Amino acid sequence: QKEVEQDPGPLSVPEGAIVSLNCTYSNSAFQYFMWYRQYSRKGPELLMYTYSSGNKEDGRFTAQVDKSSKYISLFIRDSQPSDSATYLCAMSDILTGGGNKLTFGTGTQLKVEL
Amino acid sequence: GAVVSQHPSRVICKSGTSVKIECRSLDFQATTMFWYRQFPKQSLMLMATSNEGSKATYEQGVEKDKFLINHASLTLSTLTVTSAHPEDSSFYICSAIGSGPRVITDTQYFGPGTRLTVL
Repeated sequence: QKEVEQDPGPLSVPEGAIVSLNCTYSNSAFQYFMWYRQYSRKGPELLMYTYSSGNKEDGRFTAQVDKSSKYISLFIRDSQPSDSATYLCAMSDILTGGGNKLTFGTGTQLKVEL
Repeated sequence: GAVVSQHPSRVICKSGTSVKIECRSLDFQATTMFWYRQFPKQSLMLMATSNEGSKATYEQGVEKDKFLINHASLTLSTLTVTSAHPEDSSFYICSAIGSGPRVITDTQYFGPGTRLTVL
């Protein structure tokens, strides 16, 4: 079993839809949770950063962390074609702290269609 | 936000040659830099972690004599793939953690990646 599981997709939605992206993990020591967006042939770009449990909102993006279920989500409201990309969840544990030594999911490929 | 650049963006080389990839933090000082490899439709796999002025720490299974990492300054790290072979063909991405007004503490900022093709 991988430490971080993420459905690779592809996920195809119409423009304006609400998108839900998810990751599950097995390491209870993970405390820092991140979502990165990666366009084709580009490096990942940080979207959201959350410490421990709870919700965080930034514009059309909302990140949720449920540590009791070892489950994190990224919601995208009013999705746009420009949101089409691969979304990677990443996390790190309390020992290495913060962004040190991230464990990544495989990424979910999202396509938002006109 | 914080910007990390990589050079070159794409390189094609012959088997047996060495290739150097540069990673620079443009608007912040990078105390730690990471090197990843990513195969098609797969996630990022950490290869090594480097701190400025000290030797890199390699992940299990990564040959340190094949993938030479130098972190000579707070804004530059280099990865040299020595005696490259076709199986080394991949997308190499660096990231950096640092300090400065444009960065979130302990957050990795990624470069755009370098696509290496070994013939």
